[in-house]
Amino acid sequence: GNSVTQMEGPVTLSEEAFLTINCTYTATGYPSLFWYVQYPGEGLQLLLKATKADDKGSNKGFEATYRKETTSFHLEKGSVQVSDSAVYFCALSPGGAGSYQLTFGKGTKLSVIP
Amino acid sequence: SQTIHQWPATLVQPVGSPLSLECTVEGTSNPNLYWYRQAAGRGLQLLFYSVGIGQISSEVPQNLSASRPQDRQFILSSKKLLLSDSGFYLCAWKGPGSFSGNTIYFGEGSWLTVV
Repeated sequence: GNSVTQMEGPVTLSEEAFLTINCTYTATGYPSLFWYVQYPGEGLQLLLKATKADDKGSNKGFEATYRKETTSFHLEKGSVQVSDSAVYFCALSPGGAGSYQLTFGKGTKLSVIP
Repeated sequence: SQTIHQWPATLVQPVGSPLSLECTVEGTSNPNLYWYRQAAGRGLQLLFYSVGIGQISSEVPQNLSASRPQDRQFILSSKKLLLSDSGFYLCAWKGPGSFSGNTIYFGEGSWLTVV
């Protein structure tokens, strides 16, 4: 079946530090890959996505590249801010008939300190 | 543009009481609809999804149920709540077929505390 594995947190960084949150996946076919962000007390918001191999999703300074050869979709940001403190979820949606479902990782909590 | 709303945002219910959480989507037709639960310190668990009116698929057996009485309305219910039902419930939608590129969009969430 499909699965997503992301690094366990919590991750604590100082402001302006470099961020990497690792995400690897297992899926058949050609899934779409997503990063969602959940700020404290809120629902999930789509942060970025990539729908095919070598695509790079980007938004708000965050980037992730769809690497089919390593089945990875690592999230990166060059300089984090306190406002980036949140829980980040990696997710995949399988192609074809299973595309109505989304499989999530367990989430990685990021805390950025001034 | 499409919007999704769910309510109530917060509720505290005694054990054994009923539950009804509602979710509506605007600006789209025939969406796929979902209910997820996020327990404290844990990831997201898909509870139910629906691809059309009256069509409900359950992912996890439990004392919760879902209904879709209208195209853009999705309701999560329970006849008798358990303590273990406490958590953050998220409604979500996706366009039909390959519309919106398989992206699922979430509502604001509902905090349920069973006491």
